[in-house]
Amino acid sequence: KNEVEQSPQNLTAQEGEFITINCSYSVGISALHWLQQHPGGGIVSLFMLSSGKKKHGRLIATINIQEKHSSLHITASHPRDSAVYICAVRMDSNYQLIWGAGTKLIIKP
Amino acid sequence: GAGVSQTPSNKVTEKGKYVELRCDPISGHTALYWYRQSLGQGPEFLIYFQGTGAADDSGLPNDRFFAVRPEGSVSTLKIQRTERGDSAVYLCASSYATGELFFGEGSRLTVL
Repeated sequence: KNEVEQSPQNLTAQEGEFITINCSYSVGISALHWLQQHPGGGIVSLFMLSSGKKKHGRLIATINIQEKHSSLHITASHPRDSAVYICAVRMDSNYQLIWGAGTKLIIKP
Repeated sequence: GAGVSQTPSNKVTEKGKYVELRCDPISGHTALYWYRQSLGQGPEFLIYFQGTGAADDSGLPNDRFFAVRPEGSVSTLKIQRTERGDSAVYLCASSYATGELFFGEGSRLTVL
């Protein structure tokens, strides 16, 4: 079993839809990162979470430490949100990063 | 500079040659990560530095790959006797020990 699991693996939605991407992990962590990579592009950090909830524009990230689960939400999705979204956790034992497999999101106009 | 800088941005080399890829992290960042990403794939972990030492080098695929960070800032990834399968984008990221991650634009390596 992978230590970080994301779902869904692929997601296609229409412009304007509310999007949720989930991340579950099984290790002790000091922080969880949500990252974004556009096709052919570099990786950008969206959020770093250790508790609660953060919001940036149309993006919202939440984490439940007890349940070892995080969600990334996109409101009023737009075709420019099409990208791979990656959840990565930083282990609390050695600060190493463990990555999820990523969720490929396509937003159709 | 303000961000993570990787050089060269593109490198084309012949099979069997030696290659060095450089990562200049954000000043003060103690953690530095190297990943490689093949076309259509997710990033593959190579090595992680905490300060000058390699805290985890379990991702280096074989002994042709080596990385150093002698002064705890700039890191160099070294690939000996390059093979066509080494062609990928090599990504570097840095952070404070528990802080936000910052990624470079990557070095695209093509081995002919």
